[in-house]
Amino acid sequence: DSGVTQTPKHLITATGQRVTLRCSPRSGDLSVYWYQQSLDQGLQFLIQYYNGEERAKGNILERFSAQQFPDLHSELNLSSLELGDSALYFCASSEARGGGAGANVLTFGAGSRLTVL
Amino acid sequence: AQSVSQHNHHVILSEAASLELGCNYSYGGTVNLFWYVQYPGQHLQLLLKYFSGDPLVKGIKGFEAEFIKSKFSFNLRKPSVQWSDTAEYFCAVAPYNTDKLIFGTGTRLQVFP
Repeated sequence: DSGVTQTPKHLITATGQRVTLRCSPRSGDLSVYWYQQSLDQGLQFLIQYYNGEERAKGNILERFSAQQFPDLHSELNLSSLELGDSALYFCASSEARGGGAGANVLTFGAGSRLTVL
Repeated sequence: AQSVSQHNHHVILSEAASLELGCNYSYGGTVNLFWYVQYPGQHLQLLLKYFSGDPLVKGIKGFEAEFIKSKFSFNLRKPSVQWSDTAEYFCAVAPYNTDKLIFGTGTRLQVFP
């Protein structure tokens, strides 16, 4: 157990639907990262939050959104789902000592596997 | 744009063989470098990291990696692999002064007894 909790572990839904993935970071970590892992794209950085504020944005589609709440948990919302959104979505957390030095070591959750039919 | 290349997508070895997995990145500035491992059915775990200093970095389970700045490379090595090393290995780069961690596409290692 890494200390980063992701729910649900598995999710099957239909095209056009909307889902929410949840992540609770490791105790004491202020920063949350979301990654998408698919067979053909590898691990793609989606978005990062630090202490409730968006910090960095990667290849996140407009149909996707995320937020980090005051208790530091984060949710990734995926809407108008397409077949190509089927993937493993990882959340990671770090202490992120504010400076954005790139020296953060990420602790990953077990992932949420999304299947869109 | 910054990118990370892992040239070997799938490596198959017998136990006790030596391992070297290639990783090259494209970024002209200072970087922090990482190798993560994902064992079957598990989350990604940090194997080793390089921030500064000695370019030869030792990690867990006998792994090491060498940072060669002139080649923009951070190859992972292990002198003698074990069946339990079967996993997917990801190289990652964090450009200094950013919060991004950019991953390569991963290398699947299969070790046969």
